[in-house]
Amino acid sequence: EDQVTQSPEALRLQEGESSSLNCSYTVSGLRGLFWYRQDPGKGPEFLFTLYSAGEEKEKERLKATLTKKESFLHITAPKPEDSATYLCAVQRGNQGGKLIFGQGTELSVKP
Amino acid sequence: GEEVAQTPKHLVRGEGQKAKLYCAPIKGHSYVFWYQQVLKNEFKFLISFQNENVFDETGMPKERFSAKCLPNSPCSLEIQATKLEDSAVYFCASSPMGSRGHGEQYFGPGTRLTVT
Repeated sequence: EDQVTQSPEALRLQEGESSSLNCSYTVSGLRGLFWYRQDPGKGPEFLFTLYSAGEEKEKERLKATLTKKESFLHITAPKPEDSATYLCAVQRGNQGGKLIFGQGTELSVKP
Repeated sequence: GEEVAQTPKHLVRGEGQKAKLYCAPIKGHSYVFWYQQVLKNEFKFLISFQNENVFDETGMPKERFSAKCLPNSPCSLEIQATKLEDSAVYFCASSPMGSRGHGEQYFGPGTRLTVT
């Protein structure tokens, strides 16, 4: 059965304290892995798509990487405005494009 | 438009009443997806459309849920005879995807349905 597991469930950082979020997956025929950011009361905001092991994508203080079993979202020198829930989702080939989500990591960055 | 629009923002229904939610995808996007977010971060896929055609309905509880995407109209998700367990946030997402529905999806702000 397809499974997406994110860790940790919650992460508290001080401003400037770099860290990584993990997304491990068990999916046959991975078509793509997606990272989203969700603020309270809002819809998920698209951040990155990763398609193959070894791929890396960067945007401001965020960097996403992908291996055959997991993905990492690295946050460098975070700021309080980076506080949000970060969601990982996978898409299988030949399954109509639906996203299978992990439970999310709730990130809190204190000034 | 350049964002996915969902209406209403909040909807309150008594148990057994009907609920209808609307979604306007980003202009030019061919695919529309509906998801249900229950509790904090549990997303459940419901149904997807390619233009006005059902693309994948494997997540739909068919006995009470129905959905449509008609030309020149917002897409809709309708729940007949709502139950307490239908209380959730319903998200619509659209995608400019290439072949067979793969690629990133852009989400709307959601409709919070509360069944009392």
